[in-house]
Amino acid sequence: TQLLEQSPQFLSIQEGENLTVYCNSSSVFSSLQWYRQEPGEGPVLLVTVVTGGEVKKLKRLTFQFGDARKDSSLHITAAQPGDTGLYLCAGVRNSGTYKYIFGTGTRLKVLA
Amino acid sequence: ETGVTQSPTHLIKTRGQQVTLRCSSQSGHNTVSWYQQALGQGPQFIFQYYREEENGRGNFPPRFSGLQFPNYSSELNVNALELDDSALYLCASSFGQGFTEAFFGQGTRLTVV
Repeated sequence: TQLLEQSPQFLSIQEGENLTVYCNSSSVFSSLQWYRQEPGEGPVLLVTVVTGGEVKKLKRLTFQFGDARKDSSLHITAAQPGDTGLYLCAGVRNSGTYKYIFGTGTRLKVLA
Repeated sequence: ETGVTQSPTHLIKTRGQQVTLRCSSQSGHNTVSWYQQALGQGPQFIFQYYREEENGRGNFPPRFSGLQFPNYSSELNVNALELDDSALYLCASSFGQGFTEAFFGQGTRLTVV
């Protein structure tokens, strides 16, 4: 059962380009987190969003939580090769069998 | 570096065997969560331990079991290994119940042959 779908699954772009990664679900989440994972490492937390409509910025990364708390997006401005990695969203639910769900992942490669 | 250490880093086991994976949590943290990450996929939540008690479980069979010790380190045990159990096993350390800011270890790569 995959409750959190990410798109695109793969993305290869040139340095300096902008991109947006989407995380969508039919479920409501009390909060949602974004992680970046590099090969051979565990995921590293980038941000947590809690309020519907919330927007958070982390340098060139902008995160938004949907108004209904069912979806989120990550926008990267002027991508750098150091942004390369697997981006994961993870949602926290207060009810149901699946309390903490990771998304399917978006593998980003930024070419110099 | 997160301060969360997992051992071993790599492991090869035969189908039907049992395995124990270990995780040392970050100082000051009392919660450990375990995840299974198959190649090319996002992590799947196995279970969480908070102050030595299981505090939530994902959709994994009973042959996946765990333990948390008084120092908040944790073990993941898998019995009767199957080929599909081959994956990266991640533990995450945090403070308090639920899924607050968590720090992940580097993982244990388990291969079942």
